[in-house]
Amino acid sequence: DTGVSQNPRHKITKRGQNVTFRCDPISEHNRLYWYRQTLGQGPEFLTYFQNEAQLEKSRLLSDRFSAERPKGSFSTLEIQRTEQGDSAMYLCASSPGTRVVNEQFFGPGTRLTVL
Amino acid sequence: GESVGLHLPTLSVQEGDNSIINCAYSNSASDYFIWYKQESGKGPQFIIDIRSNMDKRQGQRVTVLLNKTVKHLSLQIAATQPGDSAVYFCAENIRNDYKLSFGAGTTVTVRA
Repeated sequence: DTGVSQNPRHKITKRGQNVTFRCDPISEHNRLYWYRQTLGQGPEFLTYFQNEAQLEKSRLLSDRFSAERPKGSFSTLEIQRTEQGDSAMYLCASSPGTRVVNEQFFGPGTRLTVL
Repeated sequence: GESVGLHLPTLSVQEGDNSIINCAYSNSASDYFIWYKQESGKGPQFIIDIRSNMDKRQGQRVTVLLNKTVKHLSLQIAATQPGDSAVYFCAENIRNDYKLSFGAGTTVTVRA
């Protein structure tokens, strides 16, 4: 499968715990995005990388959230001291860096449930 | 608030009929639009895109229409099939920006 992959697919954690999600983009894509989606809503932008550089962060990304893409390939999203309001689907997307348009391909997502 | 939204949250369509899903946007700086399909438990799947210098684009069984005058976007699905049942999102991209802004989605249910 050459699409975007995300792990784990599901994560259940207790409030206050830390969690980390991983995203592997399509191999030739140098742009990588994280979005969050709550039930019944469209995805909301969290942050964006071009290669290893994090170029933009949403106001939604509080200090408890951190994202990295150390080698410009896979990315991790960590949430510290999780809260029940963090329960959502976390989606990763990637796009090629050479096209004028921004066709983004999404992974299957990681569904987080905070108890 | 959201700059992209859909007119109707749900759409029920008879199998074989054509479906039309509408989307309104408010940011005149948006120059690129995408329609995504999302099935339960899966990530959004790219359907078709259109740039602001076009008013129509066709794919396999799908057509996207863009009316910049009234800031309206629509997705037409021909001969709707049971596999088309899903939530459909329109997303916009502002020029020189990279993030997509999504509306709330329309749930399409295909009746046999």
